[in-house]
Amino acid sequence: EDKVVQSPLSLVVHEGDTVTLNCSYEVTNFRSLLWYKQEKKAPTFLFMLTSSGIEKKSGRLSSILDKKELFSILNITATQTGDSAIYLCAVECYNTDKLIFGTGTRLQVFP
Amino acid sequence: NAGVTQTPKFRILKIGQSMTLQCAQDMNHNYMYWYRQDPGMGLKLIYYSVGAGITDKGEVPNGYNVSRSTTEDFPLRLELAAPSQTSVYFCASSYAGTSGGSEQFFGPGTRLTVL
Repeated sequence: EDKVVQSPLSLVVHEGDTVTLNCSYEVTNFRSLLWYKQEKKAPTFLFMLTSSGIEKKSGRLSSILDKKELFSILNITATQTGDSAIYLCAVECYNTDKLIFGTGTRLQVFP
Repeated sequence: NAGVTQTPKFRILKIGQSMTLQCAQDMNHNYMYWYRQDPGMGLKLIYYSVGAGITDKGEVPNGYNVSRSTTEDFPLRLELAAPSQTSVYFCASSYAGTSGGSEQFFGPGTRLTVL
């Protein structure tokens, strides 16, 4: 059965800290891995990763994929209270039209 | 572009009642999806559609029905509401299926409580 596992489930940090969120997967015919940020309502897209070892960056956020070890990490440096959210990891596979989501990591950043 | 819109935002149902959650997108996307998100859990796919007139089951379809008579609209129907269907429901759309590497755009969600 295809699955996506995120860790930790919950994380509490102070502003300025750096955090690393993990996502591991076991799927058939992997195509890409996506990261979403979910605040109060709908998830918003952060990154799509398809190739191993190529870091994607957006401001203080960065992510990288390891297709050999079947995981991805999402890094947030110099965290701010506005980074507080649930971060969702999802995997898409060839020959299907579905995303498989992990349970998410809840990040809380305190001043 | 309004993107993906969902109505209503909130709803409380009694056990056994029926309702339809509306979803519409104005991006001319072929693919549309319905997810539910339970507290502390990830999104689970209920149904999806790859185009008008075509629908297919996701992971958790029991207790739901969908239709896709137009490209724009993808309503989700609950026939006999049960407490287990208390959840937040998200509709999403994408231009191509995930096999085309297309990002999904999400609506704001509908919070449903069944008492």
